[in-house]
Amino acid sequence: DIQMTQSPSSLSASLGDRVTITCRASQSISTYLNWYQQKPGKAPKLLIYAASTLQTGVPSRFSGSGSGTDFTLTISSLQPEDFATYYCQQCYSTPQTFGQGTKVEI
Amino acid sequence: QVQLRQSGPGLVKPSQTLSLTCAISGDSVSDNRAAWNWIRQSPSRGLEWLGRTYYRSKWYNDYAVSVKSRITINPDTSKNQFSLQLNSVTPEDTAVYYCARDDRAFTSTSCFDYWGQGTLVTVSS
Repeated sequence: DIQMTQSPSSLSASLGDRVTITCRASQSISTYLNWYQQKPGKAPKLLIYAASTLQTGVPSRFSGSGSGTDFTLTISSLQPEDFATYYCQQCYSTPQTFGQGTKVEI
Repeated sequence: QVQLRQSGPGLVKPSQTLSLTCAISGDSVSDNRAAWNWIRQSPSRGLEWLGRTYYRSKWYNDYAVSVKSRITINPDTSKNQFSLQLNSVTPEDTAVYYCARDDRAFTSTSCFDYWGQGTLVTVSS
């Protein structure tokens, strides 16, 4: 199975901050990488697919980049509704696997 | 607008079978681009993909090795839904279970774009 490792596991930030979350795959996955946001008690929500394509309706302050084994999710200016846990997920091979999550806190 | 609505019991006894259903609206379980997935989440295992069913001229299933001997995912075209059965459960199977659609399965843009609301299933006597 492909292992997905996110860093950091958690971070504290303030409104308006630029936030970057990193995801590393244990082998090359091209751009078969998705990012999700999850709030307590809710299902994950798709933010970005294919490493850098913004899902319809997701604010443009979210962006993704990377290919191969190293990927980043950036929030350009943190908003109150962005405090949540973020997960990366590879869809290069079965089983699809997720990172352990990064909790963004105030 | 696609919606996935889960149903099923929240409490299952050890050694028994966990059964959940995911009803689809706004799409078809027979959509030959999509795959229909079950994913669970627990503090100890994080988000874990369990398996999927999909139609490509005939029905196929893929399952995670960790549950392959115990899991069945079935489509129900008459009700436009799909189900999860997990046999011989133990307390380690306690988790929130989600169904999810992969609209572009087996392509470079594969992703879980719609999710069910989640069902907390507790395995306890």
